[in-house]
Amino acid sequence: DAGVIQSPRHEVTEMGQEVTLRCKPISGHDYLFWYRQTMMRGLELLIYFNNNVPIDDSGMPEDRFSAKMPNASFSTLKIQPSEPRDSAVYFCASSLGQVAGQPQHFGDGTRLSIL
Amino acid sequence: TQLLEQSPQFLSIQEGENLTVYCNSSSVFSSLQWYRQEPGEGPVLLVTVVTGGEVKKLKRLTFQFGDARKDSSLHITAAQPGDTGLYLCAGAVNYGQNFVFGPGTRLSVLP
Repeated sequence: DAGVIQSPRHEVTEMGQEVTLRCKPISGHDYLFWYRQTMMRGLELLIYFNNNVPIDDSGMPEDRFSAKMPNASFSTLKIQPSEPRDSAVYFCASSLGQVAGQPQHFGDGTRLSIL
Repeated sequence: TQLLEQSPQFLSIQEGENLTVYCNSSSVFSSLQWYRQEPGEGPVLLVTVVTGGEVKKLKRLTFQFGDARKDSSLHITAAQPGDTGLYLCAGAVNYGQNFVFGPGTRLSVLP
Protein backbone atom coordinates (compact mmCIF):
# COMPACT_ATOMS: atom_id res chain seq x y z
CA ASP A 1 0.00 0.00 0.00
CA ALA A 2 1.21 3.50 -0.79
CA GLY A 3 2.00 5.60 2.22
CA VAL A 4 1.95 9.37 2.48
CA ILE A 5 3.76 10.79 -0.52
CA GLN A 6 5.57 14.10 -0.35
CA SER A 7 7.31 16.05 -3.06
CA PRO A 8 9.89 17.25 -3.64
CA ARG A 9 12.23 15.32 -1.31
CA HIS A 10 14.74 18.14 -1.38
CA GLU A 11 14.40 21.80 -2.28
CA VAL A 12 17.13 24.39 -2.38
CA THR A 13 16.19 27.93 -3.30
CA GLU A 14 17.20 31.50 -2.71
CA MET A 15 15.53 33.70 -0.17
CA GLY A 16 12.58 35.62 -1.48
CA GLN A 17 11.46 32.84 -3.78
CA GLU A 18 8.13 31.08 -3.50
CA VAL A 19 8.27 27.48 -2.29
CA THR A 20 5.45 24.95 -2.70
CA LEU A 21 5.50 21.62 -0.90
CA ARG A 22 3.09 18.88 -1.90
CA CYS A 23 1.46 15.99 -0.09
CA LYS A 24 -0.73 13.07 -1.07
CA PRO A 25 -2.28 11.45 2.02
CA ILE A 26 -3.19 7.81 2.40
CA SER A 27 -6.47 7.10 0.61
CA GLY A 28 -9.41 7.13 2.99
CA HIS A 29 -7.68 9.12 5.72
CA ASP A 30 -9.73 12.10 6.85
CA TYR A 31 -7.07 14.03 8.77
CA LEU A 32 -4.01 15.67 7.27
CA PHE A 33 -1.24 17.36 9.25
CA TRP A 34 1.70 19.56 8.26
CA TYR A 35 4.74 19.60 10.58
CA ARG A 36 8.10 21.31 10.58
CA GLN A 37 11.15 19.70 12.19
CA THR A 38 14.38 21.41 13.21
CA MET A 39 17.12 20.48 15.64
CA MET A 40 16.35 23.53 17.77
CA ARG A 41 12.56 23.28 17.97
CA GLY A 42 11.86 19.61 17.27
CA LEU A 43 8.65 18.56 15.53
CA GLU A 44 6.11 21.40 15.40
CA LEU A 45 2.55 21.14 14.15
CA LEU A 46 1.84 23.89 11.65
CA ILE A 47 -1.74 23.18 10.56
CA TYR A 48 -4.17 20.32 10.24
CA PHE A 49 -7.22 19.57 8.11
CA ASN A 50 -10.27 17.40 8.68
CA ASN A 51 -12.20 16.38 5.58
CA ASN A 52 -10.27 19.00 3.58
CA VAL A 53 -11.23 21.85 5.95
CA PRO A 54 -8.50 23.65 7.92
CA ILE A 55 -9.23 23.14 11.62
CA ASP A 56 -6.28 24.67 13.45
CA ASP A 57 -3.62 26.85 11.86
CA SER A 58 -2.30 28.35 15.10
CA GLY A 59 1.08 26.77 14.46
CA MET A 60 1.63 28.55 11.17
CA PRO A 61 4.53 30.89 11.93
CA GLU A 62 3.37 33.92 9.99
CA ASP A 63 1.46 35.18 7.00
CA ARG A 64 4.18 34.02 4.64
CA PHE A 65 2.95 30.48 5.19
CA SER A 66 -0.29 29.17 3.70
CA ALA A 67 -1.77 25.70 3.24
CA LYS A 68 -4.57 24.36 1.11
CA MET A 69 -6.35 21.07 0.64
CA PRO A 70 -8.45 21.33 -2.52
CA ASN A 71 -9.50 17.68 -2.35
CA ALA A 72 -9.10 14.57 -0.22
CA SER A 73 -6.00 13.39 -2.06
CA PHE A 74 -3.85 16.51 -2.24
CA SER A 75 -2.52 19.28 -0.04
CA THR A 76 0.04 22.04 -0.47
CA LEU A 77 2.10 24.13 1.92
CA LYS A 78 3.33 27.36 0.41
CA ILE A 79 5.94 29.81 1.68
CA GLN A 80 6.07 33.20 0.01
CA PRO A 81 8.50 34.89 0.30
CA SER A 82 10.89 32.33 1.75
CA GLU A 83 13.57 33.22 4.31
CA PRO A 84 16.69 31.36 5.50
CA ARG A 85 15.05 30.68 8.89
CA ASP A 86 12.41 28.60 7.07
CA SER A 87 15.06 25.96 6.38
CA ALA A 88 13.85 22.71 7.96
CA VAL A 89 12.38 19.33 7.15
CA TYR A 90 8.66 19.60 6.49
CA PHE A 91 6.51 16.54 7.10
CA CYS A 92 3.01 15.73 6.03
CA ALA A 93 1.05 13.10 7.96
CA SER A 94 -2.41 11.62 7.65
CA SER A 95 -4.63 9.62 9.97
CA LEU A 96 -7.98 7.91 10.05
CA GLY A 97 -9.81 9.76 12.77
CA GLN A 98 -8.27 11.58 15.70
CA VAL A 99 -8.95 9.22 18.57
CA ALA A 100 -6.50 7.56 20.92
CA GLY A 101 -4.54 4.81 19.29
CA GLN A 102 -4.93 6.08 15.76
CA PRO A 103 -1.44 6.48 14.36
CA GLN A 104 -0.36 9.41 12.27
CA HIS A 105 1.30 8.11 9.11
CA PHE A 106 4.15 10.37 8.09
CA GLY A 107 5.68 10.92 4.71
CA ASP A 108 9.45 10.95 4.28
CA GLY A 109 9.52 14.75 4.40
CA THR A 110 10.81 17.57 2.25
CA ARG A 111 14.21 18.92 3.24
CA LEU A 112 14.06 22.64 2.50
CA SER A 113 17.13 24.85 2.35
CA ILE A 114 16.73 28.58 1.82
CA LEU A 115 19.99 30.28 0.90
CA THR B 1 8.42 25.79 27.36
CA GLN B 2 7.90 22.26 26.13
CA LEU B 3 4.69 20.52 27.17
CA LEU B 4 6.62 17.26 27.05
CA GLU B 5 10.22 16.75 28.13
CA GLN B 6 12.32 13.79 27.12
CA SER B 7 15.52 12.52 28.66
CA PRO B 8 18.23 11.92 27.93
CA GLN B 9 18.53 14.12 24.89
CA PHE B 10 21.29 11.92 23.44
CA LEU B 11 22.32 8.36 24.27
CA SER B 12 25.13 6.31 22.79
CA ILE B 13 25.51 2.69 23.90
CA GLN B 14 27.09 -0.57 22.82
CA GLU B 15 25.16 -3.37 21.21
CA GLY B 16 23.69 -5.70 23.82
CA GLU B 17 23.23 -3.09 26.54
CA ASN B 18 19.90 -2.19 28.10
CA LEU B 19 18.54 1.35 28.22
CA THR B 20 15.60 3.40 29.38
CA VAL B 21 14.41 6.73 28.03
CA TYR B 22 11.83 8.95 29.66
CA CYS B 23 8.99 11.24 28.71
CA ASN B 24 7.69 13.63 31.36
CA SER B 25 5.12 16.38 31.69
CA SER B 26 3.26 18.37 34.30
CA SER B 27 0.06 17.73 32.34
CA VAL B 28 -2.18 14.68 32.55
CA PHE B 29 -2.59 12.93 29.21
CA SER B 30 -5.59 10.99 27.98
CA SER B 31 -3.21 8.99 25.80
CA LEU B 32 0.44 8.92 24.87
CA GLN B 33 2.24 7.57 21.83
CA TRP B 34 5.85 6.60 21.12
CA TYR B 35 7.32 6.98 17.65
CA ARG B 36 10.73 6.08 16.19
CA GLN B 37 12.24 8.15 13.43
CA GLU B 38 15.16 6.92 11.33
CA PRO B 39 17.40 9.29 9.36
CA GLY B 40 15.77 10.57 6.18
CA GLU B 41 12.37 9.20 7.10
CA GLY B 42 9.26 10.28 8.95
CA PRO B 43 8.34 9.06 12.45
CA VAL B 44 6.68 5.65 12.71
CA LEU B 45 4.29 4.78 15.51
CA LEU B 46 5.52 2.12 17.96
CA VAL B 47 2.78 2.07 20.58
CA THR B 48 -0.12 3.94 22.16
CA VAL B 49 -0.85 3.81 25.89
CA VAL B 50 -4.09 5.07 27.39
CA THR B 51 -4.46 3.61 30.91
CA GLY B 52 -2.45 4.78 33.94
CA GLY B 53 0.04 2.08 34.92
CA GLU B 54 -0.32 0.32 31.58
CA VAL B 55 2.64 -1.73 30.34
CA LYS B 56 2.98 -2.79 26.72
CA LYS B 57 5.69 -4.94 25.19
CA LEU B 58 6.85 -4.94 21.59
CA LYS B 59 9.57 -7.58 21.22
CA ARG B 60 12.56 -6.11 23.10
CA LEU B 61 10.79 -2.81 23.82
CA THR B 62 8.75 -2.27 26.98
CA PHE B 63 6.57 0.82 27.33
CA GLN B 64 5.07 2.01 30.58
CA PHE B 65 2.53 4.74 31.23
CA GLY B 66 2.79 6.34 34.66
CA ASP B 67 0.00 5.80 37.19
CA ALA B 68 -0.85 9.51 37.08
CA ARG B 69 -0.67 9.56 33.26
CA LYS B 70 1.92 12.36 33.33
CA ASP B 71 4.95 10.35 32.31
CA SER B 72 6.07 7.35 30.33
CA SER B 73 9.18 5.27 29.84
CA LEU B 74 10.59 3.13 27.07
CA HIS B 75 12.98 0.34 28.00
CA ILE B 76 14.99 -1.51 25.37
CA THR B 77 16.59 -4.83 26.26
CA ALA B 78 19.74 -5.97 24.47
CA ALA B 79 19.87 -3.02 22.13
CA GLN B 80 20.83 -3.63 18.51
CA PRO B 81 22.22 -1.23 15.87
CA GLY B 82 18.82 -1.37 14.18
CA ASP B 83 17.35 0.39 17.24
CA THR B 84 19.31 3.53 16.34
CA GLY B 85 17.05 6.50 15.75
CA LEU B 86 15.13 9.40 17.27
CA TYR B 87 12.52 8.29 19.80
CA LEU B 88 9.63 10.71 20.13
CA CYS B 89 6.81 10.68 22.63
CA ALA B 90 3.56 12.46 21.82
CA GLY B 91 0.73 13.19 24.23
CA ALA B 92 -2.90 14.22 23.87
CA VAL B 93 -4.33 16.12 26.84
CA ASN B 94 -7.95 15.64 25.90
CA TYR B 95 -9.63 12.77 24.10
CA GLY B 96 -9.72 13.53 20.41
CA GLN B 97 -7.24 16.38 20.71
CA ASN B 98 -4.06 16.62 18.71
CA PHE B 99 -0.94 14.92 19.94
CA VAL B 100 1.91 17.23 20.96
CA PHE B 101 5.39 15.87 20.34
CA GLY B 102 8.33 15.97 22.72
CA PRO B 103 11.83 16.96 21.57
CA GLY B 104 12.98 13.35 21.34
CA THR B 105 15.84 11.16 22.50
CA ARG B 106 18.46 10.46 19.87
CA LEU B 107 19.76 6.90 20.38
CA SER B 108 22.87 5.49 18.80
CA VAL B 109 23.63 1.78 19.24
CA LEU B 110 27.19 0.94 18.26
CA PRO B 111 28.08 -2.54 16.95
